[in-house]
Amino acid sequence: AQTVTQSQPEMSVQEAETVTLSCTYDTSENNYYLFWYKQPPSRQMILVIRQEAYKQQNATENRFSVNFQKAAKSFSLKISDSQLGDTAMYFCAFITNNAGNMLTFGGGTRLMVKP
Amino acid sequence: DAGITQSPRYKITETGRQVTLMCHQTWSHSYMFWYRQDLGHGLRLIYYSAAADITDKGEVSDGYVVSRSKTENFPLTLESATRSQTSVYFCASRGIRDILLGEQYFGPGTRLTVT
Repeated sequence: AQTVTQSQPEMSVQEAETVTLSCTYDTSENNYYLFWYKQPPSRQMILVIRQEAYKQQNATENRFSVNFQKAAKSFSLKISDSQLGDTAMYFCAFITNNAGNMLTFGGGTRLMVKP
Repeated sequence: DAGITQSPRYKITETGRQVTLMCHQTWSHSYMFWYRQDLGHGLRLIYYSAAADITDKGEVSDGYVVSRSKTENFPLTLESATRSQTSVYFCASRGIRDILLGEQYFGPGTRLTVT
């Protein structure tokens, strides 16, 4: 079975500081894609960042970057220079080539950015 | 409007009633999905469809029925609603090419309350 675990139900960070959200996953597949989605109070699911498992280089999107450790099956999200608009639920998810129809999600981390 | 829409956005129904949630996308995406979001569980897949008239069960399909007579529509029906089906429901879609990227595009969600 494929699983995603986010061990931090809630986190908080001061505005302008850096925060790291943790995610571990379990799969027997070798080819897969990992994602972080943001869900603000509007409930809209917004893709933040994507990582292909075959790429060793960690993905970066502006203030968002990941630390992908394939052997450890770890995929953490780092948010630099946190902004009030980053307050949201964050979901880690992955999809494999052999289960191309199913995104598997973690339980989410609620992030609060404090002024 | 372009994109993916869901209706209604909010619904209250009584136990035992049938209720249908609508999903419509304008991209002609082949794949469509229904998820439910519950506290602590992230998003879980209910049903998905690879094309018109092709549907398959996800992780939590009991008590739900789907159909896909047209590519752009993917309604989800609760045949006899139960309180355990109180949740937020998300529809998503993805094109064939997007399989390589893994991204899914989400609708705004429907909050369903079963009393």
